[in-house]
Amino acid sequence: QSALTQPPSASGSPGQSVTISCTGTSSDVGGYNYVSWYQQHPGKAPKLMIYEVSKRPSGVPDRFSGSKSGNTASLTVSGLQAEDEADYYCSSYAGSLVVFGGGTKLTVL
Amino acid sequence: EVQLVESGGGLVQPGRSLRLSCAASGFTFDDYAMHWVRQAPGKGLEWVSGISWNSGSIGYADSVKGRFTISRDNAKNSLYLQMNSLRAEDTALYYCAKDIKQWLGKDAFDIWGQGTMVTVSS
Repeated sequence: QSALTQPPSASGSPGQSVTISCTGTSSDVGGYNYVSWYQQHPGKAPKLMIYEVSKRPSGVPDRFSGSKSGNTASLTVSGLQAEDEADYYCSSYAGSLVVFGGGTKLTVL
Repeated sequence: EVQLVESGGGLVQPGRSLRLSCAASGFTFDDYAMHWVRQAPGKGLEWVSGISWNSGSIGYADSVKGRFTISRDNAKNSLYLQMNSLRAEDTALYYCAKDIKQWLGKDAFDIWGQGTMVTVSS
């Protein structure tokens, strides 16, 4: 099972919006509405930001939103803040297993 | 406080075995599926294995299938990963993670431990 494809890096200035893509296949992202997004700061455990494509866990700011079109899912961070600088990983259910993306380093300029 | 605490990591020679444990507290352990996710130094996340609330459904990544065994003891609020025939490429920080659901299949992980490091080297 191949990893999902994410851009290695993304950036934006404070207050701007940035979108991170996550491309898979019809066997994972395109086949199920079970895409999640995680934020990971250096030296810390990952944190769930989005699940089931677009749902936000309690406590996650509504600046974070998720969507999906075909085999590509997206995470949009609006109103960028300094604390949003982190690595972001997507994941998808892939029929009896889970596959992660390679990660995107988000830099707040 | 909701918490997952992993233990059992260490330095091990190639071909040997190691058993990881994860102690859960602060939530009803047997209401949720559980998973192991690993992260090699400087690399991304890799799902290793998952187990449903009642151990009735289990899944493994292709990279560990046949070598690793996941299990849980709901009476002890504990998750385990038995790792056999270890390889250098198994070197990673191993996280225990709680699913948001009872069963495998939606697989979103809302609680993570701090991880236990496994180093496979001669």
